[in-house]
Amino acid sequence: DTGVSQDPRHKITKRGQNVTFRCDPISEHNRLYWYRQTLGQGPEFLTYFQNEAQLEKSRLLSDRFSAERPKGSFSTLEIQRTEQGDSAMYLCASSLNSDHGYTFGSGTRLTVV
Amino acid sequence: GQNIDQPTEMTATEGAIVQINCTYQTSGFNGLFWYQQHAGEAPTFLSYNVLDGLEEKGRFSSFLSRSKGYSYLLLKELQMKDSASYLCAVRGSNDYKLSFGAGTTVTVRA
Repeated sequence: DTGVSQDPRHKITKRGQNVTFRCDPISEHNRLYWYRQTLGQGPEFLTYFQNEAQLEKSRLLSDRFSAERPKGSFSTLEIQRTEQGDSAMYLCASSLNSDHGYTFGSGTRLTVV
Repeated sequence: GQNIDQPTEMTATEGAIVQINCTYQTSGFNGLFWYQQHAGEAPTFLSYNVLDGLEEKGRFSSFLSRSKGYSYLLLKELQMKDSASYLCAVRGSNDYKLSFGAGTTVTVRA
């Protein structure tokens, strides 16, 4: 297993377009997280899955954001009607249980122009 | 909620020691983590403390005092490759979500 994979690495989109990002966690990890990070800040929690169940969604995640993990394996994060303020690095992480830290993917850098 | 404070920047010389402090105020506590993040890359896990005391792992050590809401990361024998951002993160009582500080950018000079 090569760790957590995210696709694409970079995405430039025009304001108002929809974008979708994919995350493939480490295969035996049942927990999956999405975070957003802007320059000079730490990652901010967006949402969390345990297997296929989405157990928490941050208030940062407006109605334009939706995340799924349909079979408890890979996950997608969709942003509809993108805004310039959505420009950030979107990080996915996975973990096996609470005694371990997360393993992060390399992130998807979104630029909305 | 969580409030996590760490210095914005630190500079040190190659071969020296640097200590990065982190203070936190949280609603519940279930562990403190340190991550290293090089520019443009993903954070990588460095250390985990859940009980008071010092955890040593090679050149890196992390200390926790739960009563004081305080932790530090100690980097010894600094190398140029240690130049990075160091993130302090706290897990609350919900057992899964990490809240991160803004990170401390460490610059190692020759």
